[in-house]
Amino acid sequence: DAGITQSPRYKITETGRQVTLMCHQTWSHSYMFWYRQDLGHGLRLIYYSAAADITDKGEVPDGYVVSRSKTENFPLTLESATRSQTSVYFCASSVQGGNYEQYFGPGTRLTVT
Amino acid sequence: GENVEQHPSTLSVQEGDSAVIKCTYSDSASNYFPWYKQELGKRPQLIIDIRSNVGEKKDQRIAVTLNKTAKHFSLHITETQPEDSAVYFCAASAPGNTGKLIFGQGTTLQVKP
Repeated sequence: DAGITQSPRYKITETGRQVTLMCHQTWSHSYMFWYRQDLGHGLRLIYYSAAADITDKGEVPDGYVVSRSKTENFPLTLESATRSQTSVYFCASSVQGGNYEQYFGPGTRLTVT
Repeated sequence: GENVEQHPSTLSVQEGDSAVIKCTYSDSASNYFPWYKQELGKRPQLIIDIRSNVGEKKDQRIAVTLNKTAKHFSLHITETQPEDSAVYFCAASAPGNTGKLIFGQGTTLQVKP
């Protein structure tokens, strides 16, 4: 589990501000994912990446931007934060696509005031 | 689009009883079905998974069954213990080798001592 980390763990920001959540994994996993977790909605996929420089939208991508210039990093940026983006954000990685376990990071609790 | 329905949303059992959580999925092309356990304030962690070529899988007190014809799968926990109290998520793989998982809404299991 120590192989995938997220920072910051807690963040409070104001509406309209840009904020970036960081995700770093040390396993050289090909696939990385960003989810948000809200009560009653389970885990919803925001964006995912199959490899460096390859990203694709998930279920709820609006208002978010991702990049993946290096295999080990997958930052998530909220370009102009809104209150509806208050949530717990989890990053995950898997060795490859298909039927492989996703390993989750510890999460970032983001509050937008 | 792909959808996974999970029931019940909450489940309370006495210690030592069995617990069953059921999920249905919409896309017949799904072929990987993991179950994750999330303790309060922690990250989701894989507890068991099953692939489409297998009907049942057991690991000590937990088991998963899969009915591909009916497109549903279930998690069975026997001899429940207080430490089994957590939120459980089922998931189904999205079609194609995308690595994406579609998660159910989660079941909060409470095991009363």
